[in-house]
Amino acid sequence: ETGVTQTPRHLVMGMTNKKSLKCEQHLGHNAMYWYKQSAKKPLELMFVYSLEERVENNSVPSRFSPECPNSSHLFLHLHTLQPEDSALYLCASSRSREFRNIQYFGAGTRLSVL
Amino acid sequence: GIQVEQSPPDLILQEGANSTLRCNFSDSVNNLQWFHQNPWGQLINLFYIPSGTKQNGRLSATTVATERYSLLYISSSQTTDSGVYFCAVERGDDKIIFGKGTRLHILP
Repeated sequence: ETGVTQTPRHLVMGMTNKKSLKCEQHLGHNAMYWYKQSAKKPLELMFVYSLEERVENNSVPSRFSPECPNSSHLFLHLHTLQPEDSALYLCASSRSREFRNIQYFGAGTRLSVL
Repeated sequence: GIQVEQSPPDLILQEGANSTLRCNFSDSVNNLQWFHQNPWGQLINLFYIPSGTKQNGRLSATTVATERYSLLYISSSQTTDSGVYFCAVERGDDKIIFGKGTRLHILP
């Protein structure tokens, strides 16, 4: 257990569906991250939140919408996804953005878009 | 943008063997990290090593920043070492770039 919990572990959705991925950390960290890991591309950092404020958005399409209501929770809202969005989505946290070199990862949500 | 290349892409070894994984990067970087992802997808940090050498048990890493490469050494491999090893670099613009990884399979 890393202290970072992601739900659901698996998700299958159609292209017209709306779903959300949830990440929760019990480590008292102030920075949280969303990563995408697909079969055909290297791991990609999607979003970075520091103290509940989005500080980094790496050219992610608007069909992915992150939300960080407090420092312990991070969501990724999904709508009108494409089949190429099928991937493992990983959440991570670190003590602060300055300590991003020590991140704790969740087990991931494996998303399949049909 | 900066390119990160890892070699070999795949490696199969017998338990007890030693291995060396390599990460080359195309430009100067501020940070470099090694990660291990187990067969169930769990990713963990191994080393934060922008330069120099670090050791943690059977694992050690060396980064030669001036020559733009880093090496991860695994000694006396165990089956629990199986998985994918990623190298990731970071420049001053806070962008983290990952390599495609080396998939390691340790046979019992």
